[in-house]
Amino acid sequence: KNQVEQSPQSLIILEGKNCTLQCNYTVSPFSNLRWYKQDTGRGPVSLTIMTFSENTKSNGRYTATLDADTKQSSLHITASQLSDSASYICVVSANSRTGTYKYIFGTGTRLKVLA
Amino acid sequence: GAVVSQHPSRVICKSGTSVKIECRSLDFQATTMFWYRQFPKKSLMLMATSNEGSKATYEQGVEKDKFLINHASLTLSTLTVTSAHPEDSSFYICSARYRGLAINEQFFGPGTRLTVL
Repeated sequence: KNQVEQSPQSLIILEGKNCTLQCNYTVSPFSNLRWYKQDTGRGPVSLTIMTFSENTKSNGRYTATLDADTKQSSLHITASQLSDSASYICVVSANSRTGTYKYIFGTGTRLKVLA
Repeated sequence: GAVVSQHPSRVICKSGTSVKIECRSLDFQATTMFWYRQFPKKSLMLMATSNEGSKATYEQGVEKDKFLINHASLTLSTLTVTSAHPEDSSFYICSARYRGLAINEQFFGPGTRLTVL
């Protein structure tokens, strides 16, 4: 069964600190992995996307890693800001034999950055 | 580029009424649009996939007669929640994929908060 699990479920950190969010997946056949940021009451916004051959991708203060062998990914946030408070969703894309694909969503990590 | 809008952003209706939500791709042609539902503190759940000019494909457990989807043009898809009930209250998000995109990217709209009284 295709699944994406994230940890921790929620996290509280102080402004300026770093944090790392985890994503484990069992999705086959794997196409790519994305991290999204979703502010409360808003749609998800893409942060990074990685294919099978990529093991790291940065977007400003966000750095994602991918280990395709262990099927794990992480999202590292550096020097957190209050505006980083949001849900972070790991999404793995699975391809079907017919060429279609489906997004498998993780349950998300709710990050709260405190002043 | 790749902006997706939804209208309305928030709607409150009485039980038994129907509500239409629009999803538009503003600067690209969307060959495929997706409709998701999200309950509080839960992840997005795919309801249906719609391709322009053809019938939508619904996920298991989603009633197609209750959630009517129309994708009449390459820039517009609508979701109509018919005879809405309080349990239909949720956050509805659409996404769009555009023609010619090599990698399977979806661009999400800002969501519509539906409250059924």
